[in-house]
Amino acid sequence: GDSVTQKQGQVTLSEDDFLFINCTYSTTTYPTLFWYVQYPGQGPQLLLKVTTANNKGISRGFEATYDKGTTSFHLQKASVQESDSAVYFCALARTGGYKVVFGSGTRLLVSP
Amino acid sequence: EAAVTQSPRNKVAVTGGKVTLSCNQTNNHNNMYWYRQDTGHGLRLIHYSYGAGSTEKGDIPDGYKASRPSQENFSLILELATPSQTSVYFCASGDLGRSQNTLYFGAGTRLSVL
Repeated sequence: GDSVTQKQGQVTLSEDDFLFINCTYSTTTYPTLFWYVQYPGQGPQLLLKVTTANNKGISRGFEATYDKGTTSFHLQKASVQESDSAVYFCALARTGGYKVVFGSGTRLLVSP
Repeated sequence: EAAVTQSPRNKVAVTGGKVTLSCNQTNNHNNMYWYRQDTGHGLRLIHYSYGAGSTEKGDIPDGYKASRPSQENFSLILELATPSQTSVYFCASGDLGRSQNTLYFGAGTRLSVL
């Protein structure tokens, strides 16, 4: 079945550091790929999504490129702030499908 | 703005008891979902629904039932709660067409089974 892998359980950075969160996926079809962010005490919310392979999604300074060749959708940000501290989930949904599959999440801690 | 409301926000149950978690959405989305969140596992899909009257098994349905009596409401039922069902549960709504599979989540229900 479809799956999403996030190998980093936690990432610890200082303000203005570069952020890179790894995400790879496995599916037999053409998915839409998502990054969701979850702040403490809240449900996840959409950060960005990309529906077409080799396209880039950009939101709030974050970006991710849907790389069909390496089946990756890594999340990056040039300069993190303390307010970016949250849990980040990578997810996929099959085109025309109903199920959305999530990775295990990466907790980002940013110190001032 | 999309709105998904879950109740209760916190629940303590006894082993063997029945627990019902409720979810209401005002987005008029066709699809609704129940996920549980556990450290190291992320969000795992329990049940989902295409519309009123429908329920489908997700990836971890054992020990759970679901009910979708209307477009707006989707319940998760634990007939015989066990300590392994202690978790945070999230309801979400989405729509293939209008939201392009983007899910809108509630704030979650923290369930403790003692």
